[in-house]
Amino acid sequence: AQSVTQLDSQVPVFEEAPVELRCNYSSSVSVYLFWYVQYPNQGLQLLLKYLSGSTLVKSINGFEAEFNKSQTSFHLRKPSVHISDTAEYFCAVSDSGSARQLTFGSGTQLTVLP
Amino acid sequence: KAGVTQTPRYLIKTRGQQVTLSCSPISGHRSVSWYQQTPGQGLQFLFEYFSETQRNKGNFPGRFSGRQFSNSRSEMNVSTLELGDSALYLCASSLEPQGLNEKLFFGSGTQLSVL
Repeated sequence: AQSVTQLDSQVPVFEEAPVELRCNYSSSVSVYLFWYVQYPNQGLQLLLKYLSGSTLVKSINGFEAEFNKSQTSFHLRKPSVHISDTAEYFCAVSDSGSARQLTFGSGTQLTVLP
Repeated sequence: KAGVTQTPRYLIKTRGQQVTLSCSPISGHRSVSWYQQTPGQGLQFLFEYFSETQRNKGNFPGRFSGRQFSNSRSEMNVSTLELGDSALYLCASSLEPQGLNEKLFFGSGTQLSVL
């Protein structure tokens, strides 16, 4: 069975600083990778996903993640964070070809400080 | 357009009881899936429904069950509650199964506490 590890449960960072949220998954023949975000008092939302093609994927709000097969990682990065990026971020993997049957990591709480 | 609605928002039960949670998908959405979110285990897939049929089920005991009605509303039931069932239960809906390009819309969840 797949597993996803998000080593950092809490990441505090100052506004306008860069951030990296780490995600590693257990290896499989084919994996599809997702980052979801949960803002305070809101439901989960898809941030970005890697299905195939370019290993660097980007979201509309400045986040990007790079699929690294050799390191089985899918780290999320942003060069300059805003207060509004404060949220919990979940990395997830699918090896079944379904966007529903996901294995999620335990989440990383990103707190952006003024 | 209303989002995914889950009721109740909070629920407190005691061990051994059973509980039913409800999820109303976005209007027009016919696919519903359920997840359990706990601090230690993170988010785990429970099951998914489309057109009143369970399509897939996660690795949970038989005490966890669900169903979907003809209007696409879904319920999940947990019988013989255990302390470890305390969690946030999330529901997500989508138009229909579309593989990896399916866009899920999540509700805010039902927070279940088992005492």
